[in-house]
Amino acid sequence: AQSVTQLDSHVSVSEGTPVLLRCNYSSSYSPSLFWYVQHPNKGLQLLLKYTSAATLVKGINGFEAEFKKSETSFHLTKPSAHMSDAAEYFCVVSASYNTDKLIFGTGTRLQVFP
Amino acid sequence: GAVVSQHPSWVICKSGTSVKIECRSLDFQATTMFWYRQFPKQSLMLMATSNEGSKATYEQGVEKDKFLINHASLTLSTLTVTSAHPEDSSFYICSAPGAGGPGSYNEQFFGPGTRLTVL
Repeated sequence: AQSVTQLDSHVSVSEGTPVLLRCNYSSSYSPSLFWYVQHPNKGLQLLLKYTSAATLVKGINGFEAEFKKSETSFHLTKPSAHMSDAAEYFCVVSASYNTDKLIFGTGTRLQVFP
Repeated sequence: GAVVSQHPSWVICKSGTSVKIECRSLDFQATTMFWYRQFPKQSLMLMATSNEGSKATYEQGVEKDKFLINHASLTLSTLTVTSAHPEDSSFYICSAPGAGGPGSYNEQFFGPGTRLTVL
């Protein structure tokens, strides 16, 4: 069965410093992986997705993630945090290869301090 | 990008009553929609898959008689929480996949959610 594990429930950074949100996955096939962000009172928004085309995936707002099969990881990074990045971030894997069903990780709350 | 709306954004009801939540795809058609439940400061749990013109498919452990899903058109799915109780209080979120069909790794578009409080 597919699953994702987000290793940190909370991450705090200062504005202008790098962001690292960690995600490990478990999959019986080559997975599709996503990062979504949830701001208060807003719908979840797709940051980026990995679908086997390239291991380094660039997303919106300066975020990127690298798919590492050997480490079964898909960590989300950003070189310089902005106050507006404070939100809940979810690592997500597709439930199987022929479905749109998604399986969410437990989420990481990112705090950005001035 | 595509927009999914939900109505109402929040609702308070008395125990024993039923509540209907609407999920609409505003600028695209969705033969499939998904309903999630999110507890405070927790992840999203998939409840069911709403299929236009056919019965919804429910995830294991979700009571189909408690959470009635109807997908009457290509732009509307409804979730009715029947005989609501305080333990049904939660944040309910719907989503609809983009075009391309299952497995095409399309972006899913999420509604802003509906907060249900049962007194």
